[in-house]
This record gives sequence, structure tokens and C-alpha cells, in this order.
Amino acid sequence: GAGVSQSPRYKVAKRGQDVALRCDPISGHVSLFWYQQALGQGPEFLTYFQNEAQLDKSGLPSDRFFAERPEGSVSTLKIQRTQQEDSAVYLCASSLLSGENTEAFFGQGTRLTVV
Amino acid sequence: LAKTTQPISMDSYEGQEVNITCSHNNIATNDYITWYQQFPSQGPRFIIQGYKTKVTNEVASLFIPADRKSSTLSLPRVSLSDTAVYYCLVETSGTYKYIFGTGTRLKVLA
Repeated sequence: GAGVSQSPRYKVAKRGQDVALRCDPISGHVSLFWYQQALGQGPEFLTYFQNEAQLDKSGLPSDRFFAERPEGSVSTLKIQRTQQEDSAVYLCASSLLSGENTEAFFGQGTRLTVV
Repeated sequence: LAKTTQPISMDSYEGQEVNITCSHNNIATNDYITWYQQFPSQGPRFIIQGYKTKVTNEVASLFIPADRKSSTLSLPRVSLSDTAVYYCLVETSGTYKYIFGTGTRLKVLA
């Protein structure tokens, strides 16, 4: 595809349920990022992959959050035992590589609502 | 990572030039300044990036003074469709962690 694709666009989960959010980055992009955006706030960094290697997961809020990118392309963000405070938009972005003059391309996000 | 400060909101009218200033007092030598635009229900979209002086593209201009402690995003002749949140980021060359603040909510009025 032409851009970063995320699925599903919307997810409603009951508290305690596990969810999996998918990100298809732009083909050939080495870097992949996950962000969490609460209502009215800017995106907050969760984790970063360079190819299949997860180089930084310092932003993951708890051990209920897990991300993977096993073949260096598609990535999945998994949230176990969802809580109401997990309700947010989860954004995925990819770029050719990090650093100067590199542009990050964001997907439309997955809006997660935990009820 | 340098912290940025920008106005929470701005209003403008169609056809006007809009200037949004961002402060980044502790910017480091290797840091670049990048602006993103975000519409409701969309992910952020790259607008422009610069290191010093002035950068211009088909969408906007970015003015960076010599001390680089601030930057100004200039949007010429805004239209209603420019209503969005604009984020100023300071990125360190070679790193990957983009730090978004709360952004500036620009509302363009008819």
C-alpha cells in the first residue's frame, strides 16, 4: 500500500480482555514506532523497532503491553488484561531510517475503548 | 531530549498568514526542528524540518533564528482545511524517539 495501514480502526474491549493491534508499515521502511495518544494530548512514545529488533520499549506503560515485529515488516501491539486507562488511540509510524531528514509516516491509528 | 513550548491554541481567518512559534531553549547542536500537523481521527503528518535559518516548501516556511532557541512555522494564506493541531518537535540526529508536546490547536474561521 501507499501508506501505513493499521487495523482495526476501532476496537471495543471489555475490561480484562486481551487485544492485538496490527500495523503494516510502508514497504522497505526500516524503522517502526508505536505511540499512544490520549484524548486531547499529543502522541506519547511506546516502543521502537529497527527491522525486527526492538531497540527501545521504555515507553510501554506496563508489562501488559507487548510489541513484536518478527520478520521486520508487520508489527503487532498486544495489550493483555485491558484496563479502562488503556483507552486511547494507538498510532503506528514507519520511516526509512531514523535520524536527520527522515520523515515518519503515521497510520490513522486504532481507537481502543475499554468498557 | 529538548523540551518544546508552544501556544495551546490560536484562531485565524481564511486568507491570513499564521505564525506559530515554538520555544526550545535547551536545543543541542545535533538537534533538528520538525513540525507535524494532525487532523482529527488522523495520524500526524510531517510538514517541514529545518536546522537553521529558513526552510520553505510547498506547504509552509520554517524560520529559525541564529541561536536556534525558538522556531516559527509560517502558514501562508490559511484556509478552513488548515484547522488542525500543529506539533513542534526537536529531534536529535541519529536518534529515533520523537517527543510530541500538547501542540497548538489552530482554528481557521471563515
